[in-house]
Amino acid sequence: DAMVIQNPRYQVTQFGKPVTLSCSQTLNHNVMYWYQQKSSQAPKLLFHYYDKDFNNEADTPDNFQSRRPNTSFCFLDIRSPGLGDAAMYLCATSRDRGEHTFGSGTRLTVV
Amino acid sequence: AQSVTQPDIHITVSEGASLELRCNYSYGATPYLFWYVQSPGQGLQLLLKYFSGDTLVQGIKGFEAEFKRSQSSFNLRKPSVHWSDAAEYFCAVDLYSGGGADGLTFGKGTHLIIQP
Repeated sequence: DAMVIQNPRYQVTQFGKPVTLSCSQTLNHNVMYWYQQKSSQAPKLLFHYYDKDFNNEADTPDNFQSRRPNTSFCFLDIRSPGLGDAAMYLCATSRDRGEHTFGSGTRLTVV
Repeated sequence: AQSVTQPDIHITVSEGASLELRCNYSYGATPYLFWYVQSPGQGLQLLLKYFSGDTLVQGIKGFEAEFKRSQSSFNLRKPSVHWSDAAEYFCAVDLYSGGGADGLTFGKGTHLIIQP
């Protein structure tokens, strides 16, 4: 089945130690998104790629970066994780302005 | 700025009873509207969407929603809930501003509890 896959499902990282979350898709969608969802809150858009064009939300901290080496893969890099960055990170894809297909998420714990 | 309001943080419904979850949006143009469901520790699953046309849309798992432009609402309904419907429900609006795609703005969610 075509899908969005996030690895790992659970990630524990140390305070200040860089961490990378990955997302892959078999849908061949041209748009890929990263959302942050803190406990009991709504998902919040961090940034997205429309094809190769990177679009950063105005309030996304500089600590968060993203890479999209090809259509299928997208990475979320957190350069120096703080305790406040503990959250579920959701990757999603869409074809242009269509509905999002979400991965199962990566739950990040910062210790 | 676009916004989505889900006025009910928690709703408790008896199994077999009907359900309506409310959603109001603030958006300057014709919105794309969505309802997603999220089980604990999982990603979001699309229940249904409205882009244009018939204002009553059918979704998966027996859900439907009605778009009412005059009320800026997109309420989710189900005639008879099942225990497996217990989850978090999010209403979302496309942030489209004229470019290719701009992501979604989500409401704060409604936590649905099913009583036996």
